[in-house]
Amino acid sequence: EPEVTQTPSHQVTQMGQEVILRCVPISNHLYFYWYRQILGQKVEFLVSFYNNEISEKSEIFDDQFSVERPDGSNFTLKIRSTKLEDSAMYFCASSEGRSRYQPQHFGDGTRLSIL
Amino acid sequence: KNQVEQSPQSLIILEGKNCTLQCNYTVSPFSNLRWYKQDTGRGPVSLTIMTFSENTKSNGRYTATLDADTKQSSLHITASQLSDSASYICVVSADTGGFKTIFGAGTRLFVKA
Repeated sequence: EPEVTQTPSHQVTQMGQEVILRCVPISNHLYFYWYRQILGQKVEFLVSFYNNEISEKSEIFDDQFSVERPDGSNFTLKIRSTKLEDSAMYFCASSEGRSRYQPQHFGDGTRLSIL
Repeated sequence: KNQVEQSPQSLIILEGKNCTLQCNYTVSPFSNLRWYKQDTGRGPVSLTIMTFSENTKSNGRYTATLDADTKQSSLHITASQLSDSASYICVVSADTGGFKTIFGAGTRLFVKA
């Protein structure tokens, strides 16, 4: 069964550095998402992406965050100047259609640790 | 305020037994409700999706119900297996033009032999 893959599985970065988290969605999917889960807390929606543009974003997704689909397969989340509170598990997801009716398929996440 | 509350926070059951997990929400206007299973260290896996007009949806041994009037949902697991040990997360989306997705904190289920 096709899977969403995320790399790296664990990223350790110094505070203030830029970090790029990478995701390869399922190949025929058109909608892409990033979520984060701070340790011990709920999963939180960050952003959804369709047709090469952001379709929705949460209050968390401020100017330090950006997303990109640089080629036909990768979907990236960039954090420009990391802060300690950015430490979390970041999940990428994709869906075939608009997520209201379609299941979202999640990757296994990238654990981001900011020192 | 849009909220999703799940109960119980955790649950221990014996293998082979049934259990029911609860989800109450205040998300409005309602678009859909999803149940996910999340194994430790893994991403969530979709179990069921229900829209306003659906009041029950099954996926194998998992059966979800939805009462849109009382804004409650339940996930019933039949004949539990050790592999059912995981967190079960209720997720509700609001239809706000785009839509807003709210996750519950999950119920941590432990199935013991």
